[in-house]
Amino acid sequence: EIVLTQSPATLSVSPGERATLSCRASQSVNNYFAWYQHRPGQAPRLLIYDASNRATGIPARFSGSGSGTDFTLTITSVEPEDLAVYYCQQRYNGYGFGQGTKLEIK
Amino acid sequence: QVQLVESGGGVVQPGRSLRLSCAASGFTFREYAMQWVRQAPGKGLEWLVVISYDSSNKYYADSVKGRFTISRDNSKNTLYLQMNSLTAEDTALYYCARDAAIPPGTIGYFDYWGQGALVTVSS
Repeated sequence: EIVLTQSPATLSVSPGERATLSCRASQSVNNYFAWYQHRPGQAPRLLIYDASNRATGIPARFSGSGSGTDFTLTITSVEPEDLAVYYCQQRYNGYGFGQGTKLEIK
Repeated sequence: QVQLVESGGGVVQPGRSLRLSCAASGFTFREYAMQWVRQAPGKGLEWLVVISYDSSNKYYADSVKGRFTISRDNSKNTLYLQMNSLTAEDTALYYCARDAAIPPGTIGYFDYWGQGALVTVSS
């Protein structure tokens, strides 16, 4: 079983600042990796797939990087609507999720 | 537009069964793999099971293997999750999700999700 560990658990950022979220896999998942945004009361939304490709309709301020075991989601110039829990997910072996990073807006 | 609407949730006693449904619209249902994902109260997302577009392949998470069964009826554009031998640990919001098929022919990312069906297992 591949375990995904996200850090930090909570991130507090002011509007306009950069947010950097990390996810580490217990073994290589190649680039079979995604990020999701889960806003309160809404369905989760696919942001990034294959580690660095933005999904349809996702703003350019969201970007993903990494391969193998270490991955990063960067939100340049955070906006109030970005308040959410962000999950990483792999599809290399099974389809498990990380435990989530809660993004708070100061 | 793509819509996924779950139903069938509710309160059920431990050891009993429940069947969830997910009605799909706005896309050609029979062409897409589908998944179930759940979120227990205060917890993160947990992938449960995937079914291929034609029901020929099904993969389950260890936590539900042998107790939960996924199925689909492409003539009715509906996905199902039969849940047996429920325990308190199965209490969660259950989401159905469409596989993104990125790249085409692969399984593993979820591009559209329903709003979820709440299942509470309690005596």
